[in-house]
Amino acid sequence: DIQMTQSPSTLSASVGDRVSITCRASQSISSWLAWYQQKPGKAPKLLIYKASSLESGVPLRFSGSGSGTEFTLTISSLQPDDSATYYCQQYNSNPYTFGQGTKLEIK
Amino acid sequence: EVQLLESGGDLVQPGGSLSLSCAASGFTFSNYAMTWVRQAPGKGLEWVSDIRDSSGSTLYADSVKGRFTISRDDFKSTLYLQMNSLRAEDTAIYYCARYYYDSSPYPFDYWGQGTLVIVSS
Repeated sequence: DIQMTQSPSTLSASVGDRVSITCRASQSISSWLAWYQQKPGKAPKLLIYKASSLESGVPLRFSGSGSGTEFTLTISSLQPDDSATYYCQQYNSNPYTFGQGTKLEIK
Repeated sequence: EVQLLESGGDLVQPGGSLSLSCAASGFTFSNYAMTWVRQAPGKGLEWVSDIRDSSGSTLYADSVKGRFTISRDDFKSTLYLQMNSLRAEDTAIYYCARYYYDSSPYPFDYWGQGTLVIVSS
């Protein structure tokens, strides 16, 4: 199975900050990577697919980059509503594995 | 509007069985693969099982293989997960989600709200 490792595990930043979360795959997954946002008590929500494509309705402050084994989710100007846990997921090959999550807190 | 509504979660004793359902609406169910993902309390997301279509193309995580069975009824637009020989470590919120499939892979683009399974004596 492909292992996905996210860093950092927790992140605290202020409104307006630019923040980045990294996801590394144990082997190449081309660009078959998704990012999800999960708020407490809610289901995950797809933000980014194919490493850098923004899902419809997702604010433009979210962006993704990377290919192969290293990927980044960036929020260009952090908003209070962005407080959540973010997960990466590879869907290059079964099983479609998730990273362990990054909890983003607003200072 | 795409909707996925899970049901069937409950408190069950170790060794017991439970059947989960996921009722889909707002899209052509038969055109999509379906999946179950679980989340133990305070933990991350764990993929559980996939079903591509009613012909029987299924996949299971090693942690549930031989104990869980995924199935679907395209006429009822419903996904199922039969869970047998339940263990304490199966305690989790179980989410169903859909994904499209063809020659390229696709992510899970819609998720249900989840149903809670607690395995405890």
